[in-house]
Amino acid sequence: QVQLQESGPGLVKPSETLSLTCSVSGYPIISGSYWGWIRQPPGNRLEWIGTIDHSERTDYNPSLTSRVTISVDTSKDQLSLRMGSLTAADTAIYYCARASGGTRGIFDIWGQGTMVTVSS
Amino acid sequence: DIVMTQSPLSLPVTPGEPASISCRSSQSLLHSDGYTYLDWYLQRPGQSPQLLIYFGSTRASGVPDRFSGSGSGTDFTLKISRVEADDVGVYYCMQALQAVSFGGGTKVEIK
Repeated sequence: QVQLQESGPGLVKPSETLSLTCSVSGYPIISGSYWGWIRQPPGNRLEWIGTIDHSERTDYNPSLTSRVTISVDTSKDQLSLRMGSLTAADTAIYYCARASGGTRGIFDIWGQGTMVTVSS
Repeated sequence: DIVMTQSPLSLPVTPGEPASISCRSSQSLLHSDGYTYLDWYLQRPGQSPQLLIYFGSTRASGVPDRFSGSGSGTDFTLKISRVEADDVGVYYCMQALQAVSFGGGTKVEIK
């Protein structure tokens, strides 16, 4: 059974960089598939951040690409998200998910999400 | 950018009755490969989103057959043939033809 678990700081200061990790169990990342990060600001719609495959080919939301880096560590079965120049607008629940459709979505397995608050 | 618009925003439903949600995209989601890149997700209260439908009309594994997706081009519909109490939550459509973007969501609640 494939499971994803996000982890990271719950509180980050404005202008700082956010680092989140998603641990994958039940499916070695090196086996293939794509993996994505999606976030949900309080009371707002879901927003795709980006997608990566096991070879670290990435695809980013054009509105976030200048601030975002997604990477994978196949030895640890983890994917990571780094987002810089944070503002209050980045406050959200951050989810990682498996993208069975590759760069075409089909997010069939999701983590439980981790809440990130940007505040001084 | 492809903009996804859902209606209605809120949908009170009676258990056992059908329900229908509309999703419209700002441009056609039909790719030259023949696939339509439109997914539907359900986010139950306090939970992560769950995949219901992909390619516009293909049910995901384990999804009850009372859920069905239809439509083409820019107009899509998610139908629940007989609503159950467990179906409450927010339903999102999502396009993956150009980058990925979600609709604003439709909140389904029991009357």
